[in-house]
Amino acid sequence: DTGVSQDPRHKITKRGQNVTFRCDPISEHNRLYWYRQTLGQGPEFLTYFQNEAQLEKSRLLSDRFSAERPKGSFSTLEIQRTEQGDSAMYLCASKLSGNYNEQFFGPGTRLTVL
Amino acid sequence: DQQVKQNSPSLSVQEGRISILNCDYTNSMFDYFLWYKKYPAEGPTFLISISSIKDKNEDGRFTVFLNKSAKHLSLHIVPSQPGDSAVYFCAASGDTDKLIFGTGTRLQVFP
Repeated sequence: DTGVSQDPRHKITKRGQNVTFRCDPISEHNRLYWYRQTLGQGPEFLTYFQNEAQLEKSRLLSDRFSAERPKGSFSTLEIQRTEQGDSAMYLCASKLSGNYNEQFFGPGTRLTVL
Repeated sequence: DQQVKQNSPSLSVQEGRISILNCDYTNSMFDYFLWYKKYPAEGPTFLISISSIKDKNEDGRFTVFLNKSAKHLSLHIVPSQPGDSAVYFCAASGDTDKLIFGTGTRLQVFP
């Protein structure tokens, strides 16, 4: 399967703990995106990379959130000192740069903060 | 502010009939529009897209119409099938490449 993969699929943690999620994009895609989706809402943009460069960060991405894509392939999203409000589905997507190319999404990581 | 709006949270259609899902946007800088389908516990799956230079794009049973003057787009599914039952999201992008999503419409296709 050559689609976008995410790990883990589910994560339950206690408030105050740190968590890290991984995304592996489609191999030839140079752009990688992170979104967050809460119940009843559409996905909300968090940040994106072109190769290893982080090009844009949303205001939603507080100082507790950090994302990396060190070699321009897989990416990690870390949340420090988790809060109950961080509970959501975290989605990763990838695409080829250029106009009018669709983003392909992974299955998501569901985070529950107790 | 909600730049992309899907005002119908749900839609119920009989199998074989047409399903029409609507989406409105407010930002005139958007130039690319997409529809995604989502099943529970899965990521969104790309369905069809349209650029602002077109007013219609068709792919099999799916057709997207864009009315730029009204800032409105719609997705038509003909004929609807039970497997089409899912949540459908409209999304838009402009010069920054990030996608702005609506809140989704839950489509149910019944026999």
